[in-house]
Amino acid sequence: AQKVTQAQTEISVVEKEDVTLDCVYETRDTTYYLFWYKQPPSGELVFLIRRNSFDEQNEISGRYSWNFQKSTSSFNFTITASQVVDSAVYFCALSAFIQGAQKLVFGQGTRLTINP
Amino acid sequence: NAGVTQTPKFQVLKTGQSMTLQCAQDMNHEYMSWYRQDPGMGLRLIHYSVGAGITDQGEVPNGYNVSRSTTEDFPLRLLSAAPSQTSVYFCASRLQGFNTEAFFGQGTRLTVV
Repeated sequence: AQKVTQAQTEISVVEKEDVTLDCVYETRDTTYYLFWYKQPPSGELVFLIRRNSFDEQNEISGRYSWNFQKSTSSFNFTITASQVVDSAVYFCALSAFIQGAQKLVFGQGTRLTINP
Repeated sequence: NAGVTQTPKFQVLKTGQSMTLQCAQDMNHEYMSWYRQDPGMGLRLIHYSVGAGITDQGEVPNGYNVSRSTTEDFPLRLLSAAPSQTSVYFCASRLQGFNTEAFFGQGTRLTVV
């Protein structure tokens, strides 16, 4: 089965703390893509990053970094020196061929609150 | 570019009423889909389409119909609304290929009373 699990339902930290959002996925495919999306309080979904299954290099973009480990089927997201504007719901997603069609499967989401 | 446009943004329905959520994209994307977002459940796929004239069911299709007569439009129909369909609905589009990012509409908050 293709599945994405974000075990952390809610996280609350104080501004400037580092925070890591966990994402664990299941798939039998050898070729797949993983995504992170951000949903700020305004409600829209914003694409953050894409990673293919053959590229295990970590990615850093400003205060954001992503750690992809195939051995543990994880694609974790770290925010360094968090800011109030980082408060949002974050979704991890898996894109693969499922039952003969390409589909994007989402995790349950993690609500991140950054307190001033 | 407008991207993905969803209407309406908010809707209240009575049980048993029908309605259509509209979705249009101007990016010439082949793949379009509808998701519903419920607390603690993430986004679940309702229906999807890989091109004009082709639609298929997702994870939670019951109570919903779709059609895709053009590349641009992918409406979602609720035939007889039920309180269990109270949710936030998102339309998304992407290029063909599972490596492509999805672009989402702003969402429709639907309440069925």
